[in-house]
This record gives sequence, C-alpha cells and structure tokens, in this order.
Amino acid sequence: AQKVTQAQTEISVVEKEDVTLDCVYETRDTTYYLFWYKQPPSGELVFLIRRNSFDEQNEISGRYSWNFQKSTSSFNFTITASQVVDSAVYFCALSEGQGAQKLVFGQGTRLTINP
Amino acid sequence: DGGITQSPKYLFRKEGQNVTLSCEQNLNHDAMYWYRQDPGQGLRLIYYSQIVNDFQKGDIAEGYSVSREKKESFPLTVTSAQKNPTAFYLCASSVYLGIDPFFGQGTRLTVV
Repeated sequence: AQKVTQAQTEISVVEKEDVTLDCVYETRDTTYYLFWYKQPPSGELVFLIRRNSFDEQNEISGRYSWNFQKSTSSFNFTITASQVVDSAVYFCALSEGQGAQKLVFGQGTRLTINP
Repeated sequence: DGGITQSPKYLFRKEGQNVTLSCEQNLNHDAMYWYRQDPGQGLRLIYYSQIVNDFQKGDIAEGYSVSREKKESFPLTVTSAQKNPTAFYLCASSVYLGIDPFFGQGTRLTVV
C-alpha cells in the first residue's frame, strides 16, 4: 500500500533562514511519481514539482531545491533564504505508475516564516 | 485565463440537506477529480473521472455523488447520507489521469 509521511506538523522560522521539509514515502511499485504542492491561505494547491522514480537527480528552482533519495524513500524540500511569502501548508504526494487515478497525500507541514 | 473555477467559495447548509458543489474547467483536460481536506490532514480522493460520462469512486465516496455530462464540468453532490460533510473540498483536473493535477481554489462547506 502506498503511504506518505510528513512527520513535521508545523515549522516556524525567522525570515532568511533555510528550512527543510521532510517527506518519506512507501510504495511497492518500481514506477511512481512524487509531488510537492503549496497551499497558501487562499486554499488552492499550487503545483511545485513532479519527480519520477527513475530520476534521482536533485532539482533546484530559484530558492527551492528537492532531494530525492530512493535508498531512504525520501523526497525532501528545502527553501533557502526563506521569505514571509513562503508561509503556507506544504504537501508531499505520491502517485503509483502511469495513469494512476489518484495522488496519495501526506498530512502536510504548516510552515510559518516570521519577519 | 485558463483554470478551474469552484463555486461558491463558502457554503452553509442545514443538516439533512443535499448540496451540490460546482467545478468548471476551461483547460480542455480529460480527467477531473474531487478531493476532501479535513483540518490537519492531507487530501483524500472522493471521485474521479477519466472522460465524459465516466467516473469512478475514490477512497471516500460514501455519501457523495457526481456526474460528468460535459468535459468542462464535474459537479459534486454531498448527500444527507454523508455523516460528516463539513470540510474543504478541492476539485482538480489533468490532461489525462494521474498527471500533474491542477487544483481549483476550493469550497469550504459547513453543515449546521
């Protein structure tokens, strides 16, 4: 069965600090996709990244970076030099195989960046 | 602008009443989904539709119904059989099943 665990329920840091959000997943499939979404106070989910199980290269996009390690079944998300606008709930999600009908979400991590 | 529109943003209903949540997309996506979000929890799949006139139950379909008569529209009805309907409901769509769902802004339903 597939499962996503985000052990950090809430994180609070001061602006400009770096922060890492952890995501650990479980799946029996060899082909799967991992996602990160951001949910600002307005409620919609904003897509951040999708990674397939065959691509373990780390990804960097501006202040955001992702570390995918199959050996530890983790897909962690780091924000460098955090800003107040980064405050949101962040979800990690897993989708098994091509055309899987659903994403399985973690419980989310509420990130608060204080000025 | 292309996107997903969910209406209304806030909805209040009395217990025992059915209520329909609207979801419209103009992205020309084939697949559409409904998720439910409860406080402190991730999203759980209610129903999904791969194509017009076809839909399948997700993990928590009991007490809900959907229709997919048009590609652009995937309304969700919360029936009186749903034991705990108060939640935040998110609609999503994707080019095809399972790929990069694009989410609407959600409807917060409160049943009193």
